[in-house]
Amino acid sequence: NFMLTQPHSVSESPGKTVTISCTRSSGSIASNYVQWYQQRPGSSPTTVIYEDNQRPSGVPDRFSGSIDSSSNSASLTISGLKTEDEADYYCQSYDSSNRVVFGGGTKLTVL
Amino acid sequence: EVQLVESGGGLVQPGRSLRLSCAASGFTFDDYAMHWVRQAPGKGLEWVSGISWNSGSIGYADSVKGRFTISRDNAKNSLYLQMNSLRAEDTALYYCAKTTVPHGDYYYYYMDVWGKGTTVTVSS
Repeated sequence: NFMLTQPHSVSESPGKTVTISCTRSSGSIASNYVQWYQQRPGSSPTTVIYEDNQRPSGVPDRFSGSIDSSSNSASLTISGLKTEDEADYYCQSYDSSNRVVFGGGTKLTVL
Repeated sequence: EVQLVESGGGLVQPGRSLRLSCAASGFTFDDYAMHWVRQAPGKGLEWVSGISWNSGSIGYADSVKGRFTISRDNAKNSLYLQMNSLRAEDTALYYCAKTTVPHGDYYYYYMDVWGKGTTVTVSS
């Protein structure tokens, strides 16, 4: 088993760029794909990144994903921040027992 | 329109049982693996269980293993979660979610469609 650790919260100004990290506690971050979900207040989650760095259709290219083996972490980067990006963001992967694992979530404030 | 509608939530006493349902429409239900994901009040997402398209592969979170059972009826386009021996910590909004690739493993592919959820409250 492993955990995915995210910062509890991040904040940035409109138009700026923010990066949210997701660190895997054991095993290689590159072993299993990482997804990122956005959850706006009162809404169900939606996918913004899948398979580490792929964007579903309809997700703006301001959203990008990457993995870094040196820090054993995945990152979600949002550029040109808009107030509508204010939401909770969750990373997700799966373990060797085929259990889905979510990170604890990061609250993004755009102020 | 692809749609998932959960039902069956409610207030239940600790130790009792509840069965959640998820009605799917707008896609070929029996092609896709499905999940239950829950979210306790003010908390993050927690994966509960997943099931492959043909029920051949099933997984559970450690927190519910042995108490919850996931199942599906492809003829009825429905997903279920039988929850037994409920505890206060099972109190949450329960989402049903669809995976994105036909006949793919439930754990490998991302969840592309989510329902609005059904609320389960476990309290005496």
